[in-house]
Amino acid sequence: ELKVEQNPLFLSMQEGKNYTIYCNYSTTSDRLYWYRQDPGKSLESLFVLLSNGAVKQEGRLMASLDTKARLSTLHITAAVHDLSATYFCAVVRGKLIFGQGTELSVKP
Amino acid sequence: KAGVTQTPRYLIKTRGQQVTLSCSPISGHRSVSWYQQTPGQGLQFLFEYFSETQRNKGNFPGRFSGRQFSNSRSEMNVSTLELGDSALYLCASSPSGSWGETQYFGPGTRLLVL
Repeated sequence: ELKVEQNPLFLSMQEGKNYTIYCNYSTTSDRLYWYRQDPGKSLESLFVLLSNGAVKQEGRLMASLDTKARLSTLHITAAVHDLSATYFCAVVRGKLIFGQGTELSVKP
Repeated sequence: KAGVTQTPRYLIKTRGQQVTLSCSPISGHRSVSWYQQTPGQGLQFLFEYFSETQRNKGNFPGRFSGRQFSNSRSEMNVSTLELGDSALYLCASSPSGSWGETQYFGPGTRLLVL
C-alpha cells in the first residue's frame, strides 16, 4: 500500500526565513501534486510535477521531485504571513494519495 | 469560466439517514473525483468518474456510492449514515482525468452526522 509522509506536520516560521517541507512516498510514482488549503476552504493546486528532476517555481514557493529517492520538496523562500496555510502533497497511483498535510504558520 | 460547484455546502443529518451530494465540474471537464477529508484520516479518495463510468474506487464501504450524468455532473450518496461519516466531502474535476492535468477542487460539502 502506498504511503505518503510529510515532514514536518507543523511548522512555525518567522517572516523572512526559508524552510523546506518534505514529502516521502513508499512506492514508485513519477507524478506528484502540491496543494494549499486555507482554514475552512478547499484545495488550491500549486504544482504538478511530472517527471524525475522536475522543478517548478511560483513566487516564494519552489517544488521539486526526485523519483529515485521517492521524495518531493516544497521550499519556501523569505516567508510572508500570506503563506500561512496547510500544504499537502499527493502522489499518483491510479488515484491521488495524500500526505497528512503540513500546517504552516508564518509569524511577523 | 465558472469553477467547480458543490451543493449543498452544509448538511446536518442523523445516524441511519442517507444523503446525496452534488458536484458540477468545470465546463468541458469530463472527469470528476470525490474525496473525504476528516481530521483523523486526512484526505482519502472515494471514487472517480469519467464519461458516466466509475474508473477507480477507494477503500470505502458499499454505503458510499456515486454516479455521473451525461453532462458530467456527479452525485455521491451515503446510505445508513454513521457518526464517522462526518467530514468535508470534496469533489475535483479535470478535463480527461489523466495524471498530469491540474485537478480543480470545489468548495466542499461539510456533512455533520448526529
